[in-house]
Formats: sequence, C-alpha cells, structure tokens
Amino acid sequence: EVQLVQSGAEVKKPGESLRISCKGSGYSFTSYWIGWVRQMPGKGLEWMGVMYPGDSYTRYSPSFQGQVTISVDRSISTAYLQWSSLKASDTAMYYCARQRDGYNYRYFDLWGRGTLVTVSS
Amino acid sequence: QSVLTQPPSASGTPGQRVTISCSGSSSNIGSNTVNWYQQLPGTAPKLLIYTNNQRPSGVPDRFSGSKSGTSASLAISGLQSEDEADYYCATWDDSLNGPVFGGGTKLTVL
Repeated sequence: EVQLVQSGAEVKKPGESLRISCKGSGYSFTSYWIGWVRQMPGKGLEWMGVMYPGDSYTRYSPSFQGQVTISVDRSISTAYLQWSSLKASDTAMYYCARQRDGYNYRYFDLWGRGTLVTVSS
Repeated sequence: QSVLTQPPSASGTPGQRVTISCSGSSSNIGSNTVNWYQQLPGTAPKLLIYTNNQRPSGVPDRFSGSKSGTSASLAISGLQSEDEADYYCATWDDSLNGPVFGGGTKLTVL
C-alpha cells in the first residue's frame, strides 16, 4: 500500500528539541519530493518546506527558514522535521505529503495522517 | 492572511449545487494550475482536484474544478451530508517559489 506513516503525538515544554518523522512505503521514496505542512489549531494549511529525498535538496518557506530543519534518511525511507528549541506557538498539527511534479503542475497527492505537537509549560 | 482568498464559509441543502471561489494573482493562479483539497473533520487533507479540473481516482464526478485568469472555483453538485468539510485551494507561487494555500472554506450541509 502506498502510504506515508507519521510518528505519534508529542507533548513538549518550551525550549525542548523535537524531531518528528514521516516514513514512505509502497513507492520509490527517493523519486518524489516530500513537503511539510503546518495546521495550527482551528486554522488553515501553511507550507513549511520541501525536500527531494533523492539528493536531500531542501527548500524552506521564508516563514519557516531558520525555525525548523528538514532532513531525510534514505536507508529507511523516512523524512524528518525538527526543532532545536520549541515555542508555545509551535503547537500545531504537522502533515507530511508527497509532491507530484511536472511541467506547470505541482500538487500533494498523498498525505500522512499528521503529527500533533503540543508545546506547553 | 492567506495568499489565496476563499470565502470562510459556504452552505447548501442536500442535492443542491454549491461553488467555492478562490482568488489569487498573476504570480500564482494566473500562471500555475490550481488544486483543491478536502479536509473532513479530524482527518488529514485529501487531494480532491488537481491541475485545475482533474479528479484523482475515487473522487466522485459531483466534484469539478475550473480556472479563469487569476481565479478558480470548485463546484459540488448533488450535495451530500458527507461533503461537509473544509475545502482548500492551492497553487504554486512563482514569487515564493513554493505552494500557497487559500484560507479554507467550511462547507455546511444544512
């Protein structure tokens, strides 16, 4: 089955570090971009960044540049999103999604179920 | 403030046809294809329409998309109770060099 499986919910304190994961299966993981999308409580979708697992090339939204790090372990078909110092405002649901690309089209065709991150003292 | 503008809410009765609009600019909708995502309550977004008007396998033909200039719209005909969800338009933004989303439209089936 083609799927993205995300790690479980996390509860952290401000200032702590965190890494959440997204494991792809059922397809060639290194052949498709993987994006990360934030959804704050009761809010809409925000693109954070995208990585091409084949060569680890990564681009970030200006809104998230320097705030998070996207990485990959190709050996286990897993992408990661990490924070070095969490803030309460990082409380949100985080989705990974596979991006399909072609001439003049890009869209997320496969989504993980999301990882809920709660940051509270 | 989202780059793409959608009405925050829409509603209709079962069997009706509803449309949801999405407005952008020349750097996004005006020069790229538009996609729509459906997010049922408590679930992850799901691709509903891609490349302006294409439906992924399994999406009923009650859902259709269109684009004209710097605007796009999603139409849902024969509205059903299970269509109650949040709907997001999205496209690529050449200035951002990344995807942008609309703020989402909450569809209520009365």
